[in-house]
Amino acid sequence: TQLLEQSPQFLSIQEGENLTVYCNSSSVFSSLQWYRQEPGEGPVLLVTVVTGGEVKKLKRLTFQFGDARKDSSLHITAAQPGDTGLYLCAGGQSGYSTLTFGKGTMLLVSP
Amino acid sequence: KAGVTQTPRYLIKTRGQQVTLSCSPISGHRSVSWYQQTPGQGLQFLFEYFSETQRNKGNFPGRFSGRQFSNSRSEMNVSTLELGDSALYLCASSLGGGVGYEQFFGPGTRLTVL
Repeated sequence: TQLLEQSPQFLSIQEGENLTVYCNSSSVFSSLQWYRQEPGEGPVLLVTVVTGGEVKKLKRLTFQFGDARKDSSLHITAAQPGDTGLYLCAGGQSGYSTLTFGKGTMLLVSP
Repeated sequence: KAGVTQTPRYLIKTRGQQVTLSCSPISGHRSVSWYQQTPGQGLQFLFEYFSETQRNKGNFPGRFSGRQFSNSRSEMNVSTLELGDSALYLCASSLGGGVGYEQFFGPGTRLTVL
């Protein structure tokens, strides 16, 4: 069974702070995706990383895929209340058509 | 273009009943996947349909079933409901099956079993 462990499970910070969310596994993934889910909505894809060591930036969000393609991190700079939501990582493996999701990190950014 | 739609958005049932949930994918998308989301287990894969054929199935009992129609719309059915079936059921569509295709999620159906 492929498992993705996310940490922390819950994070409450003030506007303007920086934070990092982690996604770890003992399995190798061919791709790793990050989603954000807001209350009452389905997850929305933020980024897909496919190469070990890859770093992608999306405005104040920086995503990194580990060299061994077993882990990933999401760093948010100067968090804003609009960043509040559940952040999910999901791993895909070649030859499989389904994704394995972590349980998520619930982020609350207060003004 | 319109996103993934799911109906109904909210549903309350009692133990032993059965329920049918519906998902309309984005126009042109042929793959539909279903997930169950609970606070304790997170998102768990139920099954995936592509061109009316079930291609993958998660580790759920036979009470959970689904189907896909020729217009790619999909339904999932849960029979003999149990309290533990209370969850948010999410549907996701993509152009093709496989992890290389972006999945677009609907808002989900919140099922409560009393």
